[in-house]
Amino acid sequence: DTGVSQDPRHKITKRGQNVTFRCDPISEHNRLYWYRQTLGQGPEFLTYFQNEAQLEKSRLLSDRFSAERPKGSFSTLEIQRTEQGDSAMYLCASSLALEKLFFGSGTQLSVL
Amino acid sequence: AQKVTQAQTEISVVEKEDVTLDCVYETRDTTYYLFWYKQPPSGELVFLIRRNSFDEQNEISGRYSWNFQKSTSSFNFTITASQVVDSAVYFCALSQSGNTGKLIFGQGTTLQVKP
Repeated sequence: DTGVSQDPRHKITKRGQNVTFRCDPISEHNRLYWYRQTLGQGPEFLTYFQNEAQLEKSRLLSDRFSAERPKGSFSTLEIQRTEQGDSAMYLCASSLALEKLFFGSGTQLSVL
Repeated sequence: AQKVTQAQTEISVVEKEDVTLDCVYETRDTTYYLFWYKQPPSGELVFLIRRNSFDEQNEISGRYSWNFQKSTSSFNFTITASQVVDSAVYFCALSQSGNTGKLIFGQGTTLQVKP
């Protein structure tokens, strides 16, 4: 059990560019979640997968955001045409159904 | 609407003092789960406790204890004999629609324990 890992830890990009983040969950966990956290706030739910199926998306997830979890293993979160308001920490978490979440260390995105 | 309120933005104590972090929640769900997470400066959220809505027993784990009261919709967290390593941001969270991974977090309480 190596925990949830996220890559990269930090990403700096220019407004309008596309970015992609990767999350590797704990191997036996069937559920994977993405959250966003801005400075001084608690994390906000974005979306979650059960195995490879994306079961729910928050209204916070605009059309510029897309998430995938091919084969029910790792997941990617892509943001197209980034805006300064996208600057935040993007957190990934995994769990077994109805069990507690294990969080990764997050990807800090800065949009200049 | 579902909501979690942590009214204390920042708390500063001296080592060995006891400290209580408050959490008040709102939900219309009859079955729900409450959580506390710790976020140290490294950024990774660390699970501390989970409580379901049918279990109002208080819990103690070492220096940590939790008081869950449905009558006042509160789930408070007490650290006894605080230590410098307890310095972190603490989040209270509430499950949505019975999904223990889909959480609403409070704004967090920053605890600073001074030596």
